[in-house]
Amino acid sequence: GNSVTQMEGPVTLSEEAFLTINCTYTATGYPSLFWYVQYPGEGLQLLLKATKADDKGSNKGFEATYRKETTSFHLEKGSVQVSDSAVYFCALSEWEGKLIFGQGTTLQVKP
Amino acid sequence: ETGVTQSPTHLIKTRGQQVTLRCSSQSGHNTVSWYQQALGQGPQFIFQYYREEENGRGNFPPRFSGLQFPNYSSELNVNALELDDSALYLCASSPTITSGSYEQYFGPGTRLTVT
Repeated sequence: GNSVTQMEGPVTLSEEAFLTINCTYTATGYPSLFWYVQYPGEGLQLLLKATKADDKGSNKGFEATYRKETTSFHLEKGSVQVSDSAVYFCALSEWEGKLIFGQGTTLQVKP
Repeated sequence: ETGVTQSPTHLIKTRGQQVTLRCSSQSGHNTVSWYQQALGQGPQFIFQYYREEENGRGNFPPRFSGLQFPNYSSELNVNALELDDSALYLCASSPTITSGSYEQYFGPGTRLTVT
């Protein structure tokens, strides 16, 4: 079946460091891909999405490119802030209504 | 624009009891999906409701059931609670199922603890 695998956390960075969180997927067909963020004690917020190969999703300085050849959707940000500390989830849409999530990656940014 | 709301925020139940969780979808959204998020894990899809009917189901037993009402709000019912049902239950709404957007907007969740 379809699945999503994320890099293990926690990821600990200093403020203004470069961030990469790896995400790879297994899927039949061409699903849409998403990154969601979860702040402590809150639900999930959609961070960015890409709906087809080579699409680049971007929001709030975060970017991810849909790579069909490597089945990847890695999340990047050039300069992280303390306020970016959260849990990040990569997900794919198996069909319009069902999201399959990775296990989540905790990001800790220190001042 | 009102976002997705869920109630209650927290709930403590005893094994064997029944529980009902509630969700109001975002304005303009007619599709609601429910997810279970165990501690330290990603959310797992339970089921989706569209036009008051179940439109798809994940790998959850029949004691997990739901309803959707004409105003698109939804309930998740869990019977015969087990300790492993302890989790954060997330509701997500999305625009009409034919929109092709595939985006879902999540509520803050209900934290269920089964003792």
